Amino acid sequence: DVVMTQTPPSLSVAIGQSVSISCKSSQSLVYSDGKTYLHWLLQSPGRSPKRLIYQVSNLGSGVPDRFSGTGSQKDFTLKISRVEAEDLGVYYCAQTTHFPDTFGAGTKLELK
Amino acid sequence: EVQLVESGGGLVQPGSPLKLSCAASGFTFSSNWLNWIRQAPGKGLEWVASINPDGSSTYYPDTVKGRFVVSKDNAKNTGYLQMNNLRSEDTAMYYCARTSFDYWGQGVMVTVSS
Repeated sequence: DVVMTQTPPSLSVAIGQSVSISCKSSQSLVYSDGKTYLHWLLQSPGRSPKRLIYQVSNLGSGVPDRFSGTGSQKDFTLKISRVEAEDLGVYYCAQTTHFPDTFGAGTKLELK
Repeated sequence: EVQLVESGGGLVQPGSPLKLSCAASGFTFSSNWLNWIRQAPGKGLEWVASINPDGSSTYYPDTVKGRFVVSKDNAKNTGYLQMNNLRSEDTAMYYCARTSFDYWGQGVMVTVSS
């Protein structure tokens, strides 16, 4: 199975600060169709996960452009510019390139 | 509006069966994969089952293979997860999610305890 390694495990931030979360995979996530099926999810406290970004850098519907995703092959980054209170929660990267789908362990974003 | 609504959770004894349902609306259910993902209390996300759009192929991790069965009724726009021989380590919130995790249900809690 593809292992997804997220760092850091937690982040303490002030409102308005920018942060980055890293996700590294044990194999390249480029599929045979040339696309990279790496996604970012946010689980707000007490809620189910919500997909923020799909295929590395595409924002989901209604997701503010404070969120951005970059990366390729095995190395990916989620950046949040100007953190707002509603951004707090646990962020997961997930890959659906290789069977089975796998998730990172999560990065908990908390208020400083 | 895309919606996924799980039901059927509860408290069961070890070794018991339980069947979860996932009612879908707002999209063409028969054209989408359906996934089941679980989250043990205070833990991360774990994939537990997937089924292809027409229901002809199913997939499981080793942790549940032989005990869990995923199915879908495209006429009823509903997916199911039949869980047999439940163990304490199956205690978790269970979510259904669409293809590539773009939409998730609200989740249903399953507690396995004597």
